[in-house]
Amino acid sequence: EPEVTQTPSHQVTQMGQEVILRCVPISNHLYFYWYRQILGQKVEFLVSFYNNEISEKSEIFDDQFSVERPDGSNFTLKIRSTKLEDSAMYFCASGLAGDSYETQYFGPGTRLLVL
Amino acid sequence: AQSVTQLGSHVSVSEGALVLLRCNYSSSVPPYLFWYVQYPNQGLQLLLKYTSAATLVKGINGFEAEFKKSETSFHLTKPSAHMSDAAEYFCAVSDRGGNTPLVFGKGTRLSVIA
Repeated sequence: EPEVTQTPSHQVTQMGQEVILRCVPISNHLYFYWYRQILGQKVEFLVSFYNNEISEKSEIFDDQFSVERPDGSNFTLKIRSTKLEDSAMYFCASGLAGDSYETQYFGPGTRLLVL
Repeated sequence: AQSVTQLGSHVSVSEGALVLLRCNYSSSVPPYLFWYVQYPNQGLQLLLKYTSAATLVKGINGFEAEFKKSETSFHLTKPSAHMSDAAEYFCAVSDRGGNTPLVFGKGTRLSVIA
């Protein structure tokens, strides 16, 4: 069964460094998402992406964050200058496009630790 | 704005006992409701969803949930717990269909005791 994959599974970085989290969505999906979960808190929506542009974003997704689909298979989340509070589990998700396609398929997550 | 409340961050049941995980939502419009499960070191897997069809929804692994508008609830149940059900369970809501962001609850960790 096709699944969303994410790399790396764990990332440790120093505050102020740039990180790129990578995701490979399910191949025929056209909508892509990033969510994050700070330890002990809710899973929160960051951004959705369709047709090579951001579809929706939350207030969390500020100028420090960016997303890109650099090729036909990868979907990336970049954090330009990491802060301690960026430490979280980051989930990528993908889905089919259209009003009838509300199911989002999630990857296993990347645990980011900012020191 | 929508929100989701999951009562109980940790629920423990004996193997063979009823599983009941509670989820209450708030939404100004008829919601789309989801239950996801996360097994250790895996992604969030869809268990079941409610999208305004039948109020009793059956999902994978013997789980089901009932949408009760009057109670704004979407509790997840399974008649008989199995050791393999031990996982984190997340309730989520969307106020629009299609490719819209999900709003999640904090999750409930289910432990199953032999």
